[in-house]
This record gives sequence, C-alpha cells and structure tokens, in this order.
Amino acid sequence: QKEVEQDPGPLSVPEGAIVSLNCTYSNSAFQYFMWYRQYSRKGPELLMYTYSSGNKEDGRFTAQVDKSSKYISLFIRDSQPSDSATYLCAMHAGGGGNKLTFGTGTQLKVEL
Amino acid sequence: DTAVSQTPKYLVTQMGNDKSIKCEQNLGHDTMYWYKQDSKKFLKIMFSYNNKELIINETVPNRFSPKSPDKAHLNLHINSLELGDSAVYFCASSPPGLSEKLFFGSGTQLSVL
Repeated sequence: QKEVEQDPGPLSVPEGAIVSLNCTYSNSAFQYFMWYRQYSRKGPELLMYTYSSGNKEDGRFTAQVDKSSKYISLFIRDSQPSDSATYLCAMHAGGGGNKLTFGTGTQLKVEL
Repeated sequence: DTAVSQTPKYLVTQMGNDKSIKCEQNLGHDTMYWYKQDSKKFLKIMFSYNNKELIINETVPNRFSPKSPDKAHLNLHINSLELGDSAVYFCASSPPGLSEKLFFGSGTQLSVL
C-alpha cells in the first residue's frame, strides 16, 4: 500500500460544477498538506498549502484536512475549462529532510 | 524571467549512452531537488541539495550523479542509460525553511530507445 493514495481519474465535469478531489494517507506523522496543479507538459505548481487539520480558502479553491481520518480534499467552485489539469496532493512530516510524498494525481477535465 | 529553468526539454537517446540535464534557478533559494515522474504521473524525489550540500539521496542507481556547482545550479548526469530511465525529470527549488513549497521547472522528457 502506498503512503498516499489518490484516484487517478480522469474526472470529467461540466463548466461551473463543484469539483471534489481527495487523497488518503497512512503516515500519521504528516503535518503539512499541499495541492499542486500540473498542466500538460508543465511542471507542478503549488496551489494550496495547509498545516495540520482544518480548512483553507483561496478564491474558488478550498483545501480541507481531516487528520483523524487521514483524509484531505480540494474543492473547486465554479470550475472553468482552465482548471483542466492534473491535481497532485503532497504531504510532509516537517522537520529536516525536505522530503515531500506525492499522490499519483487526479486528472481533471472541465468541459464547456 | 524564468524562475526554474532546465535544459534540454526533450532528450532522446540510445541505451548505454551518457547524458546530462542542467537546471538553474534565479529565485535565490538554497535548496534544489531532482524529481522523477513516471508514465503514471507518480512524482518521486531523487536528490536534494541545500547550499551545494547533498541532503537527500533516495534509492537511486549510482548511474545517476547530481552535481551542484553553486546554490543556483543543480545538474544531473546519467551514465549507461537504460530503457527504464525513460521518464520526465523535474528540477525544483524551495525557499529557506519552506521545503513544502516547491517551485518546479518545466521538466525534461527523457526517452531511452
């Protein structure tokens, strides 16, 4: 079993839909939770960053962390075709080592 | 004004050859990384350097040798290329104390024939 599990999709939604992307993890030491967005043939870019449990909102994006369930989510409201990309969750235990553990990514397509 | 740039973007080569990928960042970050992304999009760290010092060396064949001439550059040399080395290789950097916030280059698509 991988440390971080993520449904690869693809997930196809109509424009304007609310999108929910999720990851589960097994390592209870993870403290930092990130969502990266990767467009085709590009490097991942940091979208959301949260520490410990709770919610964080940034525009149309909301990140949720439930450490008791070892479950994180990214919600996208009013989805746009420009949101079509692969979304990778990533986690970090903190401390030294500088090592992120990534999920395999969920491919999202927002259709007109 | 590219933040993290890596060259070449595409690399097609024969098995057994030796090749290098170069990376430079102009963000003033101290820490740089090499990641490998396989065909299923799984992104795995290979190496990390902090201020020219190797701090992470994952289980990577010793045919892969990183070199950091200064904190703004991190190159990757691969000897005796194998078919299984075909992947996209990403260079990344992170600000001091914020190793969670990675800034990635656009990747080098390596195809070994």
